[in-house]
Amino acid sequence: NAGVTQTPKFRILKIGQSMTLQCTQDMNHNYMYWYRQDPGMGLKLIYYSVGAGITDKGEVPNGYNVSRSTTEDFPLRLELAAPSQTSVYFCASKTGLPTGELFFGEGSRLTVL
Amino acid sequence: KQEVTQIPAALSVPEGENLVLNCSFTDSAIYNLQWFRQDPGKGLTSLLLIQSSQREQTSGRLNASLDKSSGRSTLYIAASQPGDSATYLCASSNSGNTPLVFGKGTRLSVIA
Repeated sequence: NAGVTQTPKFRILKIGQSMTLQCTQDMNHNYMYWYRQDPGMGLKLIYYSVGAGITDKGEVPNGYNVSRSTTEDFPLRLELAAPSQTSVYFCASKTGLPTGELFFGEGSRLTVL
Repeated sequence: KQEVTQIPAALSVPEGENLVLNCSFTDSAIYNLQWFRQDPGKGLTSLLLIQSSQREQTSGRLNASLDKSSGRSTLYIAASQPGDSATYLCASSNSGNTPLVFGKGTRLSVIA
């Protein structure tokens, strides 16, 4: 049982490049989330999904896109990378139950130069 | 919109001390509240989850309480150890469909 797996762990992009951060979970969780964490700013929600085929914007969605074609996978796409997207990105998942803990991946550190 | 605040931002204590970390939230109609630990360069690890109907949860040396009427939760750490040094974050949601809203965390240093 691997939990939430994110790839890559580290990536350097040039301004204007695009890339996809991969996230997969093996806990059969319906709910999946992408957060970004910047120093001193806490965690900000980018996008989330309540099930396959359903996605919704969070607090800071501009410059990102997501898709949820399966329960397991929730990739985050960065189009036209900008220095403001330099951050640590976390994927997380949970059930919708009151007892459903949120489980996080180890994070993907992205630098845009 | 739910807002979560954690004060202080940083805390330093000597080893062996009992300590309390604070978390405040603006909307008392919460679904559940969760405490996390984050070590430098790592992801977040869930410590305790308190459902809306509960007053507290315990795990080992950790005890989390919830007071919805005052909009507060506390994380009590007994007999602190240097290995407890980390950032502790709390987060709450208003429903099973609503994403968790996070505080900015309290960075704890336990000095040997």
